[in-house]
This record gives sequence, structure tokens and C-alpha cells, in this order.
Amino acid sequence: DIQMTQSPSSLSASVGDRVTITCRASQGISNYLAWFQQKPGKAPQSLIYAASSLQSGVPSKFSGSGSGTDFTLTISSLQPEDFATYYCQQYNTYPFTFGPGTKVEIK
Amino acid sequence: EVQLVQSGAEVKKPGESLKISCRGSGYSFSTYWIAWVRQMPGKGLEWMGIIFPADSDTRYSPSFQGQVTISVDKSTSTAYLQWSSLKASDTAMYYCARRSDGDYWGQGTLVTVSS
Repeated sequence: DIQMTQSPSSLSASVGDRVTITCRASQGISNYLAWFQQKPGKAPQSLIYAASSLQSGVPSKFSGSGSGTDFTLTISSLQPEDFATYYCQQYNTYPFTFGPGTKVEIK
Repeated sequence: EVQLVQSGAEVKKPGESLKISCRGSGYSFSTYWIAWVRQMPGKGLEWMGIIFPADSDTRYSPSFQGQVTISVDKSTSTAYLQWSSLKASDTAMYYCARRSDGDYWGQGTLVTVSS
């Protein structure tokens, strides 16, 4: 199985901060990488697919980049509604796998 | 509007069987993969498997192969996840999601297994 790691596992940030989360795959996955946001008690929501394509309806403050094994999710200006846990997922090779998540908390 | 609507919460005893559902609407159900994802209490997301409704092509994670069965009924645009003998460790929230990249998600079904 392809192992996905994320860093950091958690971070504290202030409203207005620029935040970057890193996701790494144990082997190359081209650009078959998705990012999700999950708020407590809610289902995950898709943010990014194909590493850098913004899902319909997702604000442009979210952006993704990377290819191969290293990927990033950036939130350009953190807002109160962005405090949540973020997951990456590879869908290049079965079984698809998720990263362990990054919890973004209020400083 | 694309929607995935899952069946309601379940409380079961160890050893019992269970089948939960995920009904798709607002799109051509047969032509999009449907995945199942587990989230144990306080934990992260785990990919369980995926099915293509048009031909029922199904792929499982080795972690879940033999533990669950994924199926589909095209006539009702519904995907299913079932257990033949539940364990306490199956207690979790279960989500369905459309496409390999999970563009739309169901609201989740909470399964509680307790004696």
C-alpha cells in the first residue's frame, strides 16, 4: 500500500495567517491527490482534486500544488470557518489511502 | 444537485448482520464510482473499498477484504456496505463518497456495536 504522511499533525494559527500543510506519498502518485476538510461532527468536504484543481464552489483562498511524492495545501488567509482537520488522499493506486490528518486550531 | 443520502444510525449486538445504504441522486448513478470510508471515534479516515455501479467492478482495501461486502442496486441508485457478523471494533462512522477523488460525500451512518 502507498503510505501517506502529513506535516504538521497539528498547528495553531491566527485569523489572517497564511497556512501550508504538506502531504508526502511513499511512492510516486503523479497528480492523483485530493484534499479534504472535515469539521467536527460533519462529513468531509472536497477542496482540491488532481493535486491543484479547485473543487467547484470552494473559495480561491485554498490552493494545492505538487506532483510525484510531495504535495502542499495552502490557505492564503485563514478565516474562522477554516479551523478544521485537513486530509490528503491518493487515488493513483489501489487501495487508495488517506493521510493521518492535520488539525488547524485557533491561536 | 448531486446528493448522496445515507441510511440512519444503527445500534447492533456483536455477531449480528447489517447492511447500510447510500442513495445517489442528481447525476447518472451508474457512471461514477462510489467509495466507502470508515472513521472510528476520534480517528482519521480509512478507505475501505470502491464499486463501479455500471458493472459492479469492486476493489477492496486488504484491511477490509473479507470483513465487509460492497454492492450496488442500479435500479434504485443505491450502494450498500454490509457485514455478516459485526464486532465491537466495527463501531464507527461510515461515509460513502462519489468518484475516486471523493467530490461528493454522504452525511455518514453511525454504526454502534455493543452487547
